Amino acid sequence: QKEVEQDPGPLSVPEGAIVSLNCTYSNSAFQYFMWYRQYSRKGPELLMYTYSSGNKEDGRFTAQVDKSSKYISLFIRDSQPSDSATYLCAMSGAGGTSYGKLTFGQGTILTVHP
Amino acid sequence: DSGVTQTPKHLITATGQRVTLRCSPRSGDLSVYWYQQSLDQGLQFLIQYYNGEERAKGNILERFSAQQFPDLHSELNLSPLELGDSALYFCASSVGATSGYGELFFGEGSRLTVL
Repeated sequence: QKEVEQDPGPLSVPEGAIVSLNCTYSNSAFQYFMWYRQYSRKGPELLMYTYSSGNKEDGRFTAQVDKSSKYISLFIRDSQPSDSATYLCAMSGAGGTSYGKLTFGQGTILTVHP
Repeated sequence: DSGVTQTPKHLITATGQRVTLRCSPRSGDLSVYWYQQSLDQGLQFLIQYYNGEERAKGNILERFSAQQFPDLHSELNLSPLELGDSALYFCASSVGATSGYGELFFGEGSRLTVL
């Protein structure tokens, strides 16, 4: 069983929809939780990160972490065709050799159609 | 543009051969990371260097080796190649390496095809 599980989709939604992306994990040592976006033929780019549990909002994006359930979510409001990409959740422990040693989910392919 | 440069972008070679992938980190970043992305395994951490020293190891095979040079660029060597090594290899960089959280900046990757 993988440390981080993410539904690969694909997910197809109409423009303006609310998108919910989720990951579950098994390693209790994870403290930093990130969402990366990867466009076709490009490298991943950081969208949001959260330390420990809680919510974080940035424009149309909201990240939620529930450490008690080992579950993280990314919500995209008013989705746009430009949001079409693969979304990867990623996690790491705190400090030491965990720094930058990210464990990624499989990625969810999202398509937002006009 | 993340500021991380990887070469070559594409590489087609044969089993048993050796390849070297090169990465130049963002200006000022001391840490370099190598990740492998394949359809079945997803994006997996291979190895990290900080200011020339190996700092952390992940799922890197013994057939693979890496180093970070004094000018902070890094190279990932793969030899002898096997069919299963076909994947996208990403380099990422960050400023620090020891505490808190630091954003990783990924390059556009080197796509390796082993025939």
